[in-house]
Amino acid sequence: EDQVTQSPEALRLQEGESSSLNCSYTVSGLRGLFWYRQDPGKGPEFLFTLYSAGEEKEKERLKATLTKKESFLHITAPKPEDSATYLCAVLPDGGGFKTIFGAGTRLFVKA
Amino acid sequence: SAVISQKPSRDICQRGTSLTIQCQVDSQVTMMFWYRQQPGQSLTLIATANQGSEATYESGFVIDKFPISRPNLTFSTLTVSNMSPEDSSIYLCSVESTPNTEAFFGQGTRLTVV
Repeated sequence: EDQVTQSPEALRLQEGESSSLNCSYTVSGLRGLFWYRQDPGKGPEFLFTLYSAGEEKEKERLKATLTKKESFLHITAPKPEDSATYLCAVLPDGGGFKTIFGAGTRLFVKA
Repeated sequence: SAVISQKPSRDICQRGTSLTIQCQVDSQVTMMFWYRQQPGQSLTLIATANQGSEATYESGFVIDKFPISRPNLTFSTLTVSNMSPEDSSIYLCSVESTPNTEAFFGQGTRLTVV
C-alpha cells in the first residue's frame, strides 16, 4: 500500500538553529513528490516539486532533496515566520490521480 | 498558479442539517479535488470532480453524504449532508496546475457541527 510518513511530528527550534524534516514514502513508482506549507486556518501553500532521486530545489531558507525512499526539507537559519506545518505528499505511478499526504511536521521557531 | 476562492470560510451548523461549500477557480481546470482535514491530521481525499461527469469518490466516502456538483470548468460545490459532530473538520478544494503536478488549494472551510 502506498504510504507517506513524516517525522518528527513536531519540531521546536531557536531562531537561527538549522534542522531537517523527513518524509519517507513507500510507493510502487513515483511520479512526483511535493512539499507544502500550511499556516493555521489556511489551505496548504505549494513549495516544491521533486521528480527524481538526486534532485534538489531551493527557496529562501528552504531546500528540498529527494532519494529513492525519502525526502528532506532542510531549513537553514530559520526565523519565527517559518513556523507552520510542513506537509509532504506523493503522486504514485500507476495511472491514477490520487495524491497521498503525510500527517505533517509542525515547526515552531522561537525568537 | 491558480487562485481558488472557497466559501464559506467557516460555519457552525446544527446536527442533521446540510452545508454546501463553494469553490471558484480563476482559470478553467479539468479536475477539481475535495479534501477533508480533521483536527491535527493530514488531508484525506473525498472525491475528484470532472466537469460533465459524476464525481469519483474515495473509499469511505459516498455520494449521498457528500454530493458534488461540477457545472462548468471553473466551479464546484461540495455538500455535507445530514451532519453529525463527526463531520466537524476543515474541507478543502484543490486543483492541479497541469495534470499530475502540484496542487493549489483554497483557504478551506472550517465546519463545526453542534
